[in-house]
Amino acid sequence: DQQVKQNSPSLSVQEGRISILNCDYTNSMFDYFLWYKKYPAEGPTFLISISSIKDKNEDGRFTVFLNKSAKHLSLHIVPSQPGDSAVYFCAASRYIYNQGGKLIFGQGTELSVKP
Amino acid sequence: DTAVSQTPKYLVTQMGNDKSIKCEQNLGHDTMYWYKQDSKKFLKIMFSYNNKELIINETVPNRFSPKSPDKAHLNLHINSLELGDSAVYFCASSQDRATGGQGDKNIQYFGAGTRLSVL
Repeated sequence: DQQVKQNSPSLSVQEGRISILNCDYTNSMFDYFLWYKKYPAEGPTFLISISSIKDKNEDGRFTVFLNKSAKHLSLHIVPSQPGDSAVYFCAASRYIYNQGGKLIFGQGTELSVKP
Repeated sequence: DTAVSQTPKYLVTQMGNDKSIKCEQNLGHDTMYWYKQDSKKFLKIMFSYNNKELIINETVPNRFSPKSPDKAHLNLHINSLELGDSAVYFCASSQDRATGGQGDKNIQYFGAGTRLSVL
């Protein structure tokens, strides 16, 4: 049962335009959401996060939006740059007593930003 | 200076062998994790240790045994390797096991991964 889903395996965007990556989740108990970026042969790198008590968090060119009623979050990158080309993973966390926050990952979306 | 480092980066071995992957973090974090990324690219948690104490143990075959000699190290030993164990294994660490509402403690920092190929 995949609790976090990224339904688009790939996305291609022109440099300078907006990239929108989407993520859906099924467990309403998730209380923290994260986006990671991964280059080939490297580990995932933390990008941006949002608490379930917020609906938007912005960091430079990156903005994450959370719609709890729809159980949906999205990552906006504006403007997109060729260096943003990577696989983006959405992750969700739910605090469980004595276990802490276990991250559940989506399967990733490969973003390609063309010059 | 790498924050989370794991060795080796590549590991090719025969079925039935026993192998270990080492992980070290210099971030001063209290919690460390092992994840497996399978052929479908899903990243799934296997284990988590907090201050050398096992706190998360997913349904992983008992051929996999994590060992944490101190809070900066979490090694993964795999006995009797099988073809299905071929995957990329990632080590990660976080400041602490997250508590409700303290989101920053959820942020996990990953190593570069170990690609295990079982022949």
